[in-house]
Amino acid sequence: EVQLVQSGAEVKKPGESLKISCKVFGYNFPNYWIGWVRQMPGKGLEWLGFIYPGDSDTTYSPSFQGQVTISVDKSISTAYLHWSSLKASDTALYYCARRGYSYAADYWGQGTLVTVSS
Amino acid sequence: QSVLTQPPSVSGAPGQRVTISCTGSSSNIGANYDVHWYRQLPGTAPKLLLTGNTYRPSGVPDRFSGSRSGTSTSLAITGLQAEDEADYYCQSFDNSLGGWVFGGGTKLTVL
Repeated sequence: EVQLVQSGAEVKKPGESLKISCKVFGYNFPNYWIGWVRQMPGKGLEWLGFIYPGDSDTTYSPSFQGQVTISVDKSISTAYLHWSSLKASDTALYYCARRGYSYAADYWGQGTLVTVSS
Repeated sequence: QSVLTQPPSVSGAPGQRVTISCTGSSSNIGANYDVHWYRQLPGTAPKLLLTGNTYRPSGVPDRFSGSRSGTSTSLAITGLQAEDEADYYCQSFDNSLGGWVFGGGTKLTVL
């Protein structure tokens, strides 16, 4: 069974760094792109970027380029989303999802709530 | 402002049929990329509902169907049930952005 399991909720202060994770089970991790999606409180879904675990090739949304960094550790089938300096406006739910056939997000993690507040 | 356009809300009585439209542009739906639909129940992650415009993943009832014409697609739900209350999102790929684009989401209320 395919599963994407994300790390737990985080509460951080503005300016702090953060890395959240997405560990996958049930398929060959290097073979599928992983995407990250943001959902701000009460709002819709926004794509942040993709990573291909096979070679760590990344693509970022122009809106998030330079704001976040996506990486993987193939040895533990885990993808990461990293901020070097959080802002209050980064407060949101963040989802990882597998990019499947025809660019569908066919499996999703349960989401990680990030709260940034002084 | 989302790249794909959906109505913010739709409603219907139990047993009725509703449709949710999703309109894009020449760099996504108009470029012939498939449209996928997701349902998000309150407090949960989105879940794939329809893929490749019209195909239902295993376990999705045939009350859910999709159609496509040009740069527009629609999700139809027949035989509305109370448990269909959720937010519905369309999604495609955009070749100018190089990634996923989503509609703004449609809140379905079952009256």
